[in-house]
Amino acid sequence: QSALTQPASVSGSPGQSITISCTGTSSDVGGYNYVSWYQQHPGKAPKLMISEVSNRPSGVSNRFSGSKSGNTASLTISGLQAEDESDYYCSSCTSTYTLVFGTGTKVTVL
Amino acid sequence: EVQLLESGGGLVQPGGSLRLSCAASGFTFSSYAMSWVRQAPGKGLEWVSVISGGGDSTYYADSVKGRFTISRDNSKNTLYLQMNSLRAEDTAVYYCAKEKMAAAQEAYYFDYWGQGTLVTVSS
Repeated sequence: QSALTQPASVSGSPGQSITISCTGTSSDVGGYNYVSWYQQHPGKAPKLMISEVSNRPSGVSNRFSGSKSGNTASLTISGLQAEDESDYYCSSCTSTYTLVFGTGTKVTVL
Repeated sequence: EVQLLESGGGLVQPGGSLRLSCAASGFTFSSYAMSWVRQAPGKGLEWVSVISGGGDSTYYADSVKGRFTISRDNSKNTLYLQMNSLRAEDTAVYYCAKEKMAAAQEAYYFDYWGQGTLVTVSS
């Protein structure tokens, strides 16, 4: 149950696009289309941003999109805004009926 | 409106026990699997355990297997986490989280989270 690998930090200027990667194995990310992404502001509970690789829940900005290729999933934030500055975590179900989160990525808006 | 309210956190000595509760409202509690997720101070999220809607299926992270027990009382719309043999590395904010997919037996993704309860294991 090793954590999925994410870059520790990603930054971008307002209006730019950034992409956060999430790398696992064929036993988690690569084997299932149940990759999700969460946004977490300091001191707050996580918020679901993307489910099932690329589905955006109602109320989430269409500036957030998800994709997957092989064992790596990605979250793209387009038109970066100051309010997007936060921590982001990916997650995936696994072949052993557990769930694993990514190591987390701090997004900074320059 | 869906609400999840955790309670039961606090300071406990290494080797001690604690039971967390999560009171749920605003949805048909028995139809959804529920999970516990924790976050150590300044660290990332770690999934801890899941229980199916009927309570007949449970799974645990290796880090807590044999020490923690997840359970639920659907008549009280309440989720529990019994934590035994606590260690310093169990210090964290513990969140309960609702599975988004109805009738799921395992953890996939969560659409609602509680505000969390802090557990501190220290002598």
